[in-house]
Amino acid sequence: DGGITQSPKYLFRKEGQNVTLSCEQNLNHDAMYWYRQDPGQGLRLIYYSQIVNDFQKGDIAEGYSVSREKKESFPLTVTSAQKNPTAFYLCASSHGGTTNEKLFFGSGTQLSVL
Amino acid sequence: EDQVTQSPEALRLQEGESSSLNCSYTVSGLRGLFWYRQDPGKGPEFLFTLYSAGEEKEKERLKATLTKKESFLHITAPKPEDSATYLCAVQPRGAAGNKLTFGGGTRVLVKP
Repeated sequence: DGGITQSPKYLFRKEGQNVTLSCEQNLNHDAMYWYRQDPGQGLRLIYYSQIVNDFQKGDIAEGYSVSREKKESFPLTVTSAQKNPTAFYLCASSHGGTTNEKLFFGSGTQLSVL
Repeated sequence: EDQVTQSPEALRLQEGESSSLNCSYTVSGLRGLFWYRQDPGKGPEFLFTLYSAGEEKEKERLKATLTKKESFLHITAPKPEDSATYLCAVQPRGAAGNKLTFGGGTRVLVKP
């Protein structure tokens, strides 16, 4: 079945540590996104990529980094510079382009600070 | 700046008790308005896209409508399985990379 796989489901970060969240899709989508969700708040865009080897900052990119070396993969690194990393992280994908297309979401990763 | 406000934040319904959720938006030209359903601990699941004022879409017990300033999600005779958080998002015209602005969501609990 086609879809988006995020791993791990739960992740714990120690002070000063960088952690990487995995996102893989087999939908053959060009565009991929990372959103952060805090309790009772809407999703906020961290980074997005419309094509391999290219990505742009979203609204809250500080303290995060990404790479897009393969079409299927868009990993997110939460660096030690992100002082409030506890949140639910969602990866999404779409066909891309300029049409108003729906996003397909993964099942999320809950990141907590030890 | 694009803004999306959803109300109420939470809604408790008895099974069969119909109600409506509101999504008010401010956007510099609307390309599309999206409704998603999110179950606890899971990613959002697409429900509808609305493109222009006056448009309506239906799926089972859900019906979404759109005006120039807001959208409504009507839940008719809800069942316990309709319990979820419903998210509204807007995509402005000219938005690079299909960027969406989301509202805070409405948590719906349907009691049997």
